[in-house]
Amino acid sequence: SAVISQKPSRDICQRGTSLTIQCQVDSQVTMMFWYRQQPGQSLTLIATANQGSEATYESGFVIDKFPISRPNLTFSTLTVSNMSPEDSSIYLCSVAFQGGSSGNTIYFGEGSWLTVV
Amino acid sequence: AQSVAQPEDQVNVAEGNPLTVKCTYSVSGNPYLFWYVQYPNRGLQFLLKYITGDNLVKGSYGFEAEFNKSQTSFHLKKPSALVSDSALYFCAVRDLNSSNTGKLIFGQGTTLQVKP
Repeated sequence: SAVISQKPSRDICQRGTSLTIQCQVDSQVTMMFWYRQQPGQSLTLIATANQGSEATYESGFVIDKFPISRPNLTFSTLTVSNMSPEDSSIYLCSVAFQGGSSGNTIYFGEGSWLTVV
Repeated sequence: AQSVAQPEDQVNVAEGNPLTVKCTYSVSGNPYLFWYVQYPNRGLQFLLKYITGDNLVKGSYGFEAEFNKSQTSFHLKKPSALVSDSALYFCAVRDLNSSNTGKLIFGQGTTLQVKP
């Protein structure tokens, strides 16, 4: 498995501001992802964070709203820009291993719980 | 398109009784199936997966799941429920047919309530 640390764990944000969420993994991983879980909902993939290149976004999500960085194989950031109350969600970082006993398994961090007021 | 369905929003069981949380899937090709648990105010914890091999998969905390290809199901089970098992459970399938093979498609989640 992996230890996936997210910061901040919780925050209350003002409408119109931006917040950057950090994700740190204790081992190198090829694939890192960012998911959103809106209140009472299931998880939806925002984008795949690609090391050394631009992120790949899912339908309905755009880079201007959710810019992502992936400077190396253990770290990624997600920024939620120009926040509105509709952005109040849990944002989860996840990683996928390709080999070994953890192969084909996708693990999640503890999430960052954002409330926009 | 790949999809996952969890037909029950909530499952109620008494402590000590067996529990089942249902999941059905629709994929083209061989499915990679997962169960995750989300405790209140926590992230998702991996419970178990089916990739290939034995249809009965054992996972964390005494949970197991049975892969049934003919019924396209992957139900989560536990022989004896604990109050501490009360949580939100998600079934997911890995989307191997898209350009993003790491993507997980989730069911809507099932709340498990275990009563003393």
